[in-house]
Amino acid sequence: GQNIDQPTEMTATEGAIVQINCTYQTSGFNGLFWYQQHAGEAPTFLSYNVLDGLEEKGRFSSFLSRSKGYSYLLLKELQMKDSASYLCAGTSGTYKYIFGTGTRLKVLA
Amino acid sequence: DTAVSQTPKYLVTQMGNDKSIKCEQNLGHDTMYWYKQDSKKFLKIMFSYNNKELIINETVPNRFSPKSPDKAHLNLHINSLELGDSAVYFCASSFRYREETQYFGPGTRLLVL
Repeated sequence: GQNIDQPTEMTATEGAIVQINCTYQTSGFNGLFWYQQHAGEAPTFLSYNVLDGLEEKGRFSSFLSRSKGYSYLLLKELQMKDSASYLCAGTSGTYKYIFGTGTRLKVLA
Repeated sequence: DTAVSQTPKYLVTQMGNDKSIKCEQNLGHDTMYWYKQDSKKFLKIMFSYNNKELIINETVPNRFSPKSPDKAHLNLHINSLELGDSAVYFCASSFRYREETQYFGPGTRLLVL
């Protein structure tokens, strides 16, 4: 089967670091995406991992372990505007996106 | 300039009606998609077209019929609307039919009464 799991909600404080985990089981796995979605808006691309390891992009980093079926998104120096849902998405051999249910992150002052 | 646009943004209608949602992208992408996001925010793919050809058709009731007149447009027609169709429908596009970043439209909020 194909499944993406991530925590439903997380809370963190402004200026802190937060790690959002994602585990996946997809047949013919190609790569893993992270998208950010603010309330009432469309998802926007954050990162893409196809190889094992850490990809850093400013305050955001994403990690992938293909052997463990595991990824995480790391957000540093949290800002209030980072309050949003973070969607993990795996892609299968037929190029079908399988999205997780999203992790709703609340950043508190 | 809007990259992926959808109309209408809001759609409120009665059960049993037929409605259409339009999507256009000006990114020159070959592949377009329709997603449904339910009240629990779960985003699920419905259809995917590559160069006007249907490549992904998930388990969607046949009341939903996509149409792609050209590769910049992918419209979604829904017949005999039901209460359970209430959701946000997102159109998206990507450069090619492979591992690519998707660009999402603003969404159409459909409410069936």
